[in-house]
Amino acid sequence: SQQGEEDPQALSIQEGENATMNCSYKTSINNLQWYRQNSGRGLVHLILIRSNEREKHSGRLRVTLDTSKKSSSLLITASRAADTASYFCATAWPPNAGGTSYGKLTFGQGTILTVHP
Amino acid sequence: ETGVTQTPRHLVMGMTNKKSLKCEQHLGHNAMYWYKQSAKKPLELMFVYNFKEQTENNSVPSRFSPECPNSSHLFLHLHTLQPEDSALYLCASSQGGRVVHNEQFFGPGTRLTVL
Repeated sequence: SQQGEEDPQALSIQEGENATMNCSYKTSINNLQWYRQNSGRGLVHLILIRSNEREKHSGRLRVTLDTSKKSSSLLITASRAADTASYFCATAWPPNAGGTSYGKLTFGQGTILTVHP
Repeated sequence: ETGVTQTPRHLVMGMTNKKSLKCEQHLGHNAMYWYKQSAKKPLELMFVYNFKEQTENNSVPSRFSPECPNSSHLFLHLHTLQPEDSALYLCASSQGGRVVHNEQFFGPGTRLTVL
């Protein structure tokens, strides 16, 4: 299974602090993505990092990828109460033999982040 | 309307009922997905459609029957469900085809309760 595993399962911090979530996976990937989900809602794509990239930034988000360790981390800096949500990593399979990708993603179990005002 | 929409948002059904979930995407995408999200379990991919053709059936029981009449619409027909099928069902879409960087856009989900 390519399934990602997130660590920690739950994280509780104060507003203004940084939050770091980790993801590990088992097989080769094409890219790794992070999604956010507010309670009982759909997922929202945050950031995608390709297998040949090591670090990527988007606003207050910083993602790293270490393919040798098959792991990624998501850092949210200067957290806000509105960042309270579940965060999921998702790994994308490499293209199949036909050179196409059907966009199949495998999601981890998620980290529940609570940011206290 | 933009993005990915799902109807109904909430559904309660008995085990002998037949119902359908609907998903519509307004993003011009060619791939659509059904996922099941149960409490304390990772998001489970159920079906993938690419250019209206089913390309993935992740060993889903036959009481779930997908239908994709065109690239914008996806249905999930439900019949004789079990209480353990109660979950949040999420639809997603992505560009599809020969696209490797496959960001997915999700709908808000249908919260299904089977009595």
